Amino acid sequence: NAGVTQTPKFQVLKTGQSMTLQCAQDMNHNSMYWYRQDPGMGLRLIYYSASEGTTDKGEVPNGYNVSRLNKREFSLRLESAAPSQTSVYFCASTPTRVLNQPQHFGDGTRLSIL
Amino acid sequence: KNEVEQSPQNLTAQEGEFITINCSYSVGISALHWLQQHPGGGIVSLFMLSSGKKKHGRLIATINIQEKHSSLHITASHPRDSAVYICAVNTGKLIFGQGTTLQVKP
Repeated sequence: NAGVTQTPKFQVLKTGQSMTLQCAQDMNHNSMYWYRQDPGMGLRLIYYSASEGTTDKGEVPNGYNVSRLNKREFSLRLESAAPSQTSVYFCASTPTRVLNQPQHFGDGTRLSIL
Repeated sequence: KNEVEQSPQNLTAQEGEFITINCSYSVGISALHWLQQHPGGGIVSLFMLSSGKKKHGRLIATINIQEKHSSLHITASHPRDSAVYICAVNTGKLIFGQGTTLQVKP
């Protein structure tokens, strides 16, 4: 039972490079989220997808784009990476957009931008 | 001032000790979550509560809505409890605390 799977687990980029972080869940959840986690700060929401076919900005969307490819997959793209985007990125999912239910997290992607 | 404050930021305990981690918030909420992040980085949901108290094994979570405060207690702590514990409040969106890093020494 995989739950939420993120790839890659680690990545090093140069400033200006682009890359896509992948996230897939096998729990038939409708809602999916992308967070970033920085030292000394709580998790911050980048984008979310309440259901297949919809995406919305979270607290810190600048510099990112997302795609809800299908019900299972929600990808996060950095078009032109900047050192300020060095962070640990987490994908999460919930059965519905209602937040009074546990979130299921992936193991994270550690991204360094030089 | 952060809307969600956790204390302490860091905590070291000896195996077997009773541990309390606190979470205070300044906004109206409909529920509060406690999460655990292991050294490997994965995050697991421990509790979600909107009133009273919940217990799972050696973990107990309480919330006082009037005082805007929640506590996570660990009884008979064990080195495998070493992790970062995060509280998050639901205000219509989730606001996360900075986390409390717990180390339990054998």
